[in-house]
Amino acid sequence: AQSVTQPDIHITVSEGASLELRCNYSYGATPYLFWYVQSPGQGLQLLLKYFSGDTLVQGIKGFEAEFKRSQSSFNLRKPSVHWSDAAEYFCAVGPGSSNTGKLIFGQGTTLQVKP
Amino acid sequence: DGGITQSPKYLFRKEGQNVTLSCEQNLNHDAMYWYRQDPGQGLRLIYYSQIVNDFQKGDIAEGYSVSREKKESFPLTVTSAQKNPTAFYLCASSITPTRRPYEQYFGPGTRLTVT
Repeated sequence: AQSVTQPDIHITVSEGASLELRCNYSYGATPYLFWYVQSPGQGLQLLLKYFSGDTLVQGIKGFEAEFKRSQSSFNLRKPSVHWSDAAEYFCAVGPGSSNTGKLIFGQGTTLQVKP
Repeated sequence: DGGITQSPKYLFRKEGQNVTLSCEQNLNHDAMYWYRQDPGQGLRLIYYSQIVNDFQKGDIAEGYSVSREKKESFPLTVTSAQKNPTAFYLCASSITPTRRPYEQYFGPGTRLTVT
């Protein structure tokens, strides 16, 4: 069965420091991968997506993610974190062979930014 | 502006009452989804619909019901059979999934409290 693991439940970084949020997936074929961000009490906003092609994808708000097939990972990065980046981040995977559109979400990583 | 609206933002009900959560989208998306979010558990799929007058159970459909009479609307009813209905409910939509999943766009959510 497909699954998504976000190993870090909570991460704290200082403002201006770099950030990397980890995401590992379990799926036999090439997955379709997404990162979403959620502010408290709000819906989810799409940061970026990977379908195929270049394994380094750029998203909104200065985020990027790299797909590494050999490691089954799709880690999210940002070179310099801003206080407004404090939120919960979700990695999601969609099975490529499915036509249901269903996504499987990780449990989320809460990012705290220290001033 | 195109988007997804959910109403109300907060909903309070007494135990034993059915309650219906509204979800409307003007993105002209065919597919719509309902998720439940609990702290530390990520998002869990309740129901999804790929076309009007058709819907499928997700991973945690027990105690919930839906209808899809219009393309724009996908209301969720939380019945008295749902054992633990207090949660944050998110509605999402996407273009029609064919051979692969597409990104989902989320509404702002409804927080349901049942006492």
